[in-house]
Amino acid sequence: KAGVTQTPRYLIKTRGQQVTLSCSPISGHRSVSWYQQTPGQGLQFLFEYFSETQRNKGNFPGRFSGRQFSNSRSEMNVSTLELGDSALYLCASSVSTNTEAFFGQGTRLTVV
Amino acid sequence: SQQGEEDPQALSIQEGENATMNCSYKTSINNLQWYRQNSGRGLVHLILIRSNEREKHSGRLRVTLDTSKKSSSLLITASRAADTASYFCATDNNFNKFYFGSGTKLNVKP
Repeated sequence: KAGVTQTPRYLIKTRGQQVTLSCSPISGHRSVSWYQQTPGQGLQFLFEYFSETQRNKGNFPGRFSGRQFSNSRSEMNVSTLELGDSALYLCASSVSTNTEAFFGQGTRLTVV
Repeated sequence: SQQGEEDPQALSIQEGENATMNCSYKTSINNLQWYRQNSGRGLVHLILIRSNEREKHSGRLRVTLDTSKKSSSLLITASRAADTASYFCATDNNFNKFYFGSGTKLNVKP
């Protein structure tokens, strides 16, 4: 069974631009959640989707948004990029609630 | 905040020794999961323990959960150099909204 796949693996963007990151969950998994990891703040929850509905949202500005498609694949978008958005963005998938959550390798975003 | 906190922040041991890491959290949880991360790469799932469980084993890993003390421990027995990584606990009490601690950096010296 394929694991969680995140694309692209690396990305360099300029301040003010926008970016879209993609996450393909493990087959059969309906929950996808996103996290931002930085050296200063650690791992922080962005949002979680289940069956195309956002169930939870973290404390991030509205520039951070996401969506989930009917095949459970998810995308997150960051608009008007700032230098502080440079981070490793991780997504995790799970079958449902209260089950193991498996992470992808992440997308490393650098904003210059 | 419900954030889990790992202790110690860093641990250095010799190959073959056991490594114990602790995690504390603040509010009630549905489950607690332990992860390993190598050098800023993805998180590798190690084990999940639910709030009604007290102990789980997986290979060389042993996890305990004490909900009355809001704490968990991860024991890695007979450590190997390949176990060198950062270890995180993640708590979940709200539909897969996980809170992570800052992690324990484990260094296993060959």
